[in-house]
Amino acid sequence: DVKVTQSSRYLVKRTGEKVFLECVQDMDHENMFWYRQDPGLGLRLIYFSYDVKMKEKGDIPEGYSVSREKKERFSLILESASTNQTSMYLCASSFPGQVDEKLFFGSGTQLSVL
Amino acid sequence: AQSVTQLDSQVPVFEEAPVELRCNYSSSVSVYLFWYVQYPNQGLQLLLKYLSGSTLVKGINGFEAEFNKSQTSFHLRKPSVHISDTAEYFCAVSALNRDDKIIFGKGTRLHILP
Repeated sequence: DVKVTQSSRYLVKRTGEKVFLECVQDMDHENMFWYRQDPGLGLRLIYFSYDVKMKEKGDIPEGYSVSREKKERFSLILESASTNQTSMYLCASSFPGQVDEKLFFGSGTQLSVL
Repeated sequence: AQSVTQLDSQVPVFEEAPVELRCNYSSSVSVYLFWYVQYPNQGLQLLLKYLSGSTLVKGINGFEAEFNKSQTSFHLRKPSVHISDTAEYFCAVSALNRDDKIIFGKGTRLHILP
C-alpha cells in the first residue's frame, strides 16, 4: 500500500525556535508538496518540488523554506517559528507530468507554536 | 490562474437524506477537477475526478459529481448519506498544462444528523 509518512502527528514549539517537519514517501514520486490547513481557509500551498534539490514557491512561502536532498524526503523548515504558524501541515506527493493523477497525502502534523 | 469557491462552509443533513455540496471554479484554460474527502484525524483522499468525457463522474462511497462547463460548476452529490460520511470535503482544480499544482477550495464540513 502506498504511503506518505509525516514524522510527527503533534508538535509543540516555542516562538523563535527552528522547526523541521519531515515527510517521506515510498512511491518513487518526483512531485512533493507542503500545504497548511486552517479552519475556513482550506488548504494553501506553501512549497512544492518536482525533483531532488529543486523547489518552487507556492502561494504562501513567507516564513518557510524547504529541503529536498533525496527523492523520497521533503522537509519543511520554519526558520523562526511564530504563533501565526500554528496550523495543520499536510505533505503530499504525486507522479510528474500527470496532474490528472491523484495526490497522496500524509496524515498531517498539527503544529502549535506557543 | 485558477480558483475554487465552495459556497457552504458547513452542511447539516439528516441520515439517509440526499446531499449536494457546491463547488464553482474559475479558470482561463481547461481544467481537471477533483473532490477530496478528509475524515476526522486523517489526511485527504481522492473521492473522484473529472478529466474529460462524460460530465457525470462516479466516485467511491456512492458519491458522484457533475461537471457543468457553462456554469463552471462541479457539485458533489449523494442520494442517501450515512453517518460514516461525516467529514470535510474539498473541491480542487488543476490546469491542463505542465504545472502540476492543484488548487483547493476552503472545504465544506458535512454534518450527518441522526
